[in-house]
Amino acid sequence: DAGITQSPRHKVTETGTPVTLRCHQTENHRYMYWYRQDPGHGLRLIHYSYGVKDTDKGEVSDGYSVSRSKTEDFLLTLESATSSQTSVYFCAISELAQETQYFGPGTRLLVL
Amino acid sequence: AQTVTQSQPEMSVQEAETVTLSCTYDTSESDYYLFWYKQPPSRQMILVIRQEAYKQQNATENRFSVNFQKAAKSFSLKISDSQLGDAAMYFCAYRNSFLTQGGSEKLVFGKGTKLTVNP
Repeated sequence: DAGITQSPRHKVTETGTPVTLRCHQTENHRYMYWYRQDPGHGLRLIHYSYGVKDTDKGEVSDGYSVSRSKTEDFLLTLESATSSQTSVYFCAISELAQETQYFGPGTRLLVL
Repeated sequence: AQTVTQSQPEMSVQEAETVTLSCTYDTSESDYYLFWYKQPPSRQMILVIRQEAYKQQNATENRFSVNFQKAAKSFSLKISDSQLGDAAMYFCAYRNSFLTQGGSEKLVFGKGTKLTVNP
């Protein structure tokens, strides 16, 4: 299994509060991704990174920001959480753009 | 934009039998990748099988095989000798080749098929 961890695994927060989710990998892969999974939508890409300090938006990036200061860590921040951001968040990694993406265990976020 | 459609929200199969999950996709590209991921109740996303569009041979991984019909834009997953541990959500996913101009590294997922395996 790819060495990917996500923290926290579960979080309950209130509307308007900032939230940061962390993805940590031990594979030294260049590419890292954040997806969200919602019923009826499958998984959708939020942001991705193709190197340290190199990031780009996905299809559902509004309300989210990311940072990658080290190869192994990719942070997803909700500046001011809303109830619509209640979801399961998955981190994924791949060595190269064309390679298979491997997923972390997911983080359940509930915004009240 | 590419889309992936899984027309079977739920499927069931008897243990030891064979089941086929359907997936169709829409793209104007000629080079791309297709995947099947499995998501058991633990919610971990697990790669089942991968197919490169330029390869005519269908991919296989032990009891899992695909029927890739490029002209029809169809990518079905066959599970042989189904086991109780195969019960999960199965997601079909598409990704452009990295050679595609302006290509995106994102995976485009279908909405999933819930597979139940009956003992």
